[in-house]
Amino acid sequence: DVKVTQSSRYLVKRTGEKVFLECVQDMDHENMFWYRQDPGLGLRLIYFSYDVKMKEKGDIPEGYSVSREKKERFSLILESASTNQTSMYLCASSSRGGGAEEKLFFGSGTQLSVL
Amino acid sequence: QKEVEQDPGPLSVPEGAIVSLNCTYSNSAFQYFMWYRQYSRKGPELLMYTYSSGNKEDGRFTAQVDKSSKYISLFIRDSQPSDSATYLCAMTSIQGAQKLVFGQGTRLTINP
Repeated sequence: DVKVTQSSRYLVKRTGEKVFLECVQDMDHENMFWYRQDPGLGLRLIYFSYDVKMKEKGDIPEGYSVSREKKERFSLILESASTNQTSMYLCASSSRGGGAEEKLFFGSGTQLSVL
Repeated sequence: QKEVEQDPGPLSVPEGAIVSLNCTYSNSAFQYFMWYRQYSRKGPELLMYTYSSGNKEDGRFTAQVDKSSKYISLFIRDSQPSDSATYLCAMTSIQGAQKLVFGQGTRLTINP
C-alpha cells in the first residue's frame, strides 16, 4: 500500500518558534508538494520539489522554506511561526510523467496551531 | 474573483439520493479536470479524472465537463453513508500537478 507519512498529526507552537514539518513517501516519486488547507480557501500550494535539492515556489511561499536532501523526504520549515500560519498542512507526492493523470498522493495532514 | 469556485455547502442528503456537486472556473485554458475526495482527518485522494469535455463514468460516479460553460460536475448515484466526505474539484491547463488549482471543497453528508 502506497504511503505518504507526515510526522505529526497535531502540533502546537508559539509565535516566533522555528517549526519543522516532515514528510516521507515510500513510492520513489520524483515530485513532492506542500499545501496548506484553510476553510473557504481550499488547498494552496506552498512549495514543490521535482528532484533532490530542487525546489520551486508555489502560490504562497512567503514565510516558508523547504528542504529536500533525499528523494523520499521533503521538509517544510517555518522560520519564525506566526498566528496566520495556523492551518492544516498537507504533503503530497506524484510520479513525474505518470501518464495523463499525474495523480497526487496525500498524507493525512498536520494540524498546526500557532499561539 | 477566484479562478475556481465551488459551493462549500454543507450538503446533506438522504441515502440513495442522486448527488450533484459542481465547480465553475474562469480560465478557458484549463483542460485537465479532477475530483478528489477527502474523508475527515485524512488527506484527499483522487476520485475521477477527465481530459477536456465530455463525461466519464466509474461505478456510481460520473464526472462531466462542459468547457463552453466553464462548468464541471460530479454526480453520485445511489449515494451511501460511506460517500460522506469533502469533495474538491481541481483543474489545470497543463499536465503536471504543480499547476493544479483547487476549489474550496464541498462538504457532503449522506444520512442513513
